[in-house]
Amino acid sequence: DGGITQSPKYLFRKEGQNVTLSCEQNLNHDAMYWYRQDPGQGLRLIYYSQIVNDFQKGDIAEGYSVSREKKESFPLTVTSAQKNPTAFYLCASSGSTDTQYFGPGTRLTVL
Amino acid sequence: EDQVTQSPEALRLQEGESSSLNCSYTVSGLRGLFWYRQDPGKGPEFLFTLYSAGEEKEKERLKATLTKKESFLHITAPKPEDSATYLCAGQGAQKLVFGQGTRLTINP
Repeated sequence: DGGITQSPKYLFRKEGQNVTLSCEQNLNHDAMYWYRQDPGQGLRLIYYSQIVNDFQKGDIAEGYSVSREKKESFPLTVTSAQKNPTAFYLCASSGSTDTQYFGPGTRLTVL
Repeated sequence: EDQVTQSPEALRLQEGESSSLNCSYTVSGLRGLFWYRQDPGKGPEFLFTLYSAGEEKEKERLKATLTKKESFLHITAPKPEDSATYLCAGQGAQKLVFGQGTRLTINP
């Protein structure tokens, strides 16, 4: 089945620790996105990539980093510089249309 | 600045009681208006894309409509399984802008 997978489903981070969230898609989509979702707020764009080896900052990129070495993969690293990382993180991809399809999400909690 | 606002924030209906969710938008050069359904703890599920004013799309008990300033998601004779958060988003020149969502609860 074609789709987007995210792992892990739950992730716990200690203070000062970097953690990496995985996102993989087998939809053959060129564009991939990372969003953050907090209670009562809309999805906010962290980073996006429209092609391999290229990515752009979204609205809230500070404290996050990404890479796009393969078309299928777009990992997100939450660095220690991100002061309030507890949130639900969503990865999405889109192909020839603007329609974005989402993965199941990763819930990150700071201990 | 592009903006999408959804109302109400929460809506509670009885099973079979039809209603509408509102999505107001100011998105420069709108390329599409999207509706998603999101269940608790899960990623959004794509429902509809609307491209031009006057366009309508239907899926089971849901119908989405679009004007130049708003979109509506009409729910006809809802069932408890329609309970979810419904997200609206406008595609501008650079990015997809999301509203805060409407949390819909259908009581049996």
